[in-house]
Amino acid sequence: QKEVEQDPGPLSVPEGAIVSLNCTYSNSAFQYFMWYRQYSRKGPELLMYTYSSGNKEDGRFTAQVDKSSKYISLFIRDSQPSDSATYLCAGQLTFGSGTQLTVLP
Amino acid sequence: NAGVMQNPRHLVRRRGQEARLRCSPMKGHSHVYWYRQLPEEGLKFMVYLQKENIIDESGMPKERFSAEFPKEGPSILRIQQVVRGDSAAYFCASSQGRDETQYFGPGTRLLVL
Repeated sequence: QKEVEQDPGPLSVPEGAIVSLNCTYSNSAFQYFMWYRQYSRKGPELLMYTYSSGNKEDGRFTAQVDKSSKYISLFIRDSQPSDSATYLCAGQLTFGSGTQLTVLP
Repeated sequence: NAGVMQNPRHLVRRRGQEARLRCSPMKGHSHVYWYRQLPEEGLKFMVYLQKENIIDESGMPKERFSAEFPKEGPSILRIQQVVRGDSAAYFCASSQGRDETQYFGPGTRLLVL
């Protein structure tokens, strides 16, 4: 079992939709979590960093952490074609395999 | 506003040669992380260094791979006697402190012929 599991997708949504991306983790020792966006053949770009359970919002992005169920989520509101990328979740130094998202205009 | 810099961006080596990948962290960052990414896969942690110290090398292959982060200059990931299976994108990230936000560089794409 991988320490961080992420649905690989691919996921396609129409422009303007709310996107929900999810990960589960197995290591209770993880203290912080991150979400990154990666465009093809580029380096990962940080979206969110969260240290505790609960919600954190930044613009159109909301990260949610539930340590009791070992579940982390990223919500994207009013999705745009430019959001089309692979989204990576991470628990400390352990990354999920990424979810490929396409936002259709 | 210099972010994390990596060079070279692309590196081609023949089997048996050595590959040296360099990473300059963001200004003010003293913690460096190296990751490997195979096609269609996520990032796999390799090693975490602070200036002149290896903090965690649990993801580093036991043979042929080494990393350093000297007092002066960039961090270096060195792969000796490369094999085709070493072909991948190698990313470096840096942070200001331990357990703080990691910012990634553009990566070095290594191709072993």
